Amino acid sequence: NAGVTQTPKFQVLKTGQSMTLQCAQDMNHEYMSWYRQDPGMGLRLIHYSVGAGITDQGEVPNGYNVSRSTTEDFPLRLLSAAPSQTSVYFCASSPNYSFFSGNTIYFGEGSWLTVV
Amino acid sequence: TQLLEQSPQFLSIQEGENLTVYCNSSSVFSSLQWYRQEPGEGPVLLVTVVTGGEVKKLKRLTFQFGDARKDSSLHITAAQPGDTGLYLCAGAKAAGNKLTFGGGTRVLVKP
Repeated sequence: NAGVTQTPKFQVLKTGQSMTLQCAQDMNHEYMSWYRQDPGMGLRLIHYSVGAGITDQGEVPNGYNVSRSTTEDFPLRLLSAAPSQTSVYFCASSPNYSFFSGNTIYFGEGSWLTVV
Repeated sequence: TQLLEQSPQFLSIQEGENLTVYCNSSSVFSSLQWYRQEPGEGPVLLVTVVTGGEVKKLKRLTFQFGDARKDSSLHITAAQPGDTGLYLCAGAKAAGNKLTFGGGTRVLVKP
């Protein structure tokens, strides 16, 4: 059971560098999203996608780009890393985006990013 | 300011004691979910409540959705060390396609 797979697990970047966090799901889910988690702030939505070719911004999109060329993959790109982007990043997927019906979100194990 | 406020932020209790975690908002949500997250892992869904006044039980955990669907609570009876973790509430609105999380409550149950 692969579920939601994130890579890398840990990464250290220098300020100004760019990188991509990979996320893949094997459940044929329509909805995928990226969150960042900082102490005391729960999870904040960065970007999300309701299907291949469709993406939209969440609460904290600045400094991040996403694309959804396939149903399975939803990479998150940091364009020019800043210390404020030091965080734990979680990718998540769910069968569809209808949370009203109590849709279940499945989370990956997280990617720990440090920007120095 | 977060849309969903959780309290307390941290709770430390002895094994066998009861505890309650609160999730409050000034907004109405169509559904509310509770997650538990352990160190080094992603959150795992515990329950979803969708009807105002709804009460759901999961073994020693009791979840309640407020009548006005603006708040929720999680009550753990006779807590065990295995209940230790970060508890997160998350709400969804009827017309939206986003899940908004609270700041989390860190629970420590000491043996």
